[in-house]
Amino acid sequence: QSALTQPASVSGSPGQSIAISCTGTGSDVGRSNFVSWYQQHPGKAPKLLIFEVNRRPSGISDRFSGSKSGNTASLTISGLQGEDEADYFCTSHTTGNTLILFGGGTKLTVL
Amino acid sequence: VQVVQSGAEVKETGASVKVSCKTSGYNFIAYDIHWVRQAPGQGPQWMGSINPSNGVATFAQKFEGRVTMTRDTAITTANMELRRLEPDDTAIYYCVTSTGFWAFHYWGQGTRVTVSS
Repeated sequence: QSALTQPASVSGSPGQSIAISCTGTGSDVGRSNFVSWYQQHPGKAPKLLIFEVNRRPSGISDRFSGSKSGNTASLTISGLQGEDEADYFCTSHTTGNTLILFGGGTKLTVL
Repeated sequence: VQVVQSGAEVKETGASVKVSCKTSGYNFIAYDIHWVRQAPGQGPQWMGSINPSNGVATFAQKFEGRVTMTRDTAITTANMELRRLEPDDTAIYYCVTSTGFWAFHYWGQGTRVTVSS
């Protein structure tokens, strides 16, 4: 199975909002509410930001929000801060043999 | 919750590697443990998971027949062994605890595995 499709990079200025898309198929993102988003700083392990499409774990800022429409999920980061500069990955449960698919990752640059 | 993995490994092509993952701070048998790897410059890849309460493991098709996942409930540790290593297996291997919803909540620090040809 192919990985989920994310843009390779996005950028924004401090204070702005950006959105990162994650496109799959009707076998994964389109039919699953088990879509998650992760933040990864260089040399660090990923950190869970969003699960079940739009739920935040305890301690995650409400500047991070998730949504889904059809086969595409999105992560929105509002009020960009320098510390948000990182790689972001999406995941989705899938009906295929590989039960979880990852996106290829998106590098966020805060200008 | 803490998840602490074993140290870096360097292996030759054809060898096997075993990565261990010591957990603490929660009921070990309550949550599945997943293994995820990340090759240099690439997105992560799910390898499989184990249910610590019964030891039943599920693997991604790509790794079927080449990976074993086990657990020792007495010492709240999970293990992943990958056999017949190739240079393409060079990656950081993560042990992750999931508290549900197919989301990865608590990550280990990662174990770098380098496979030389």
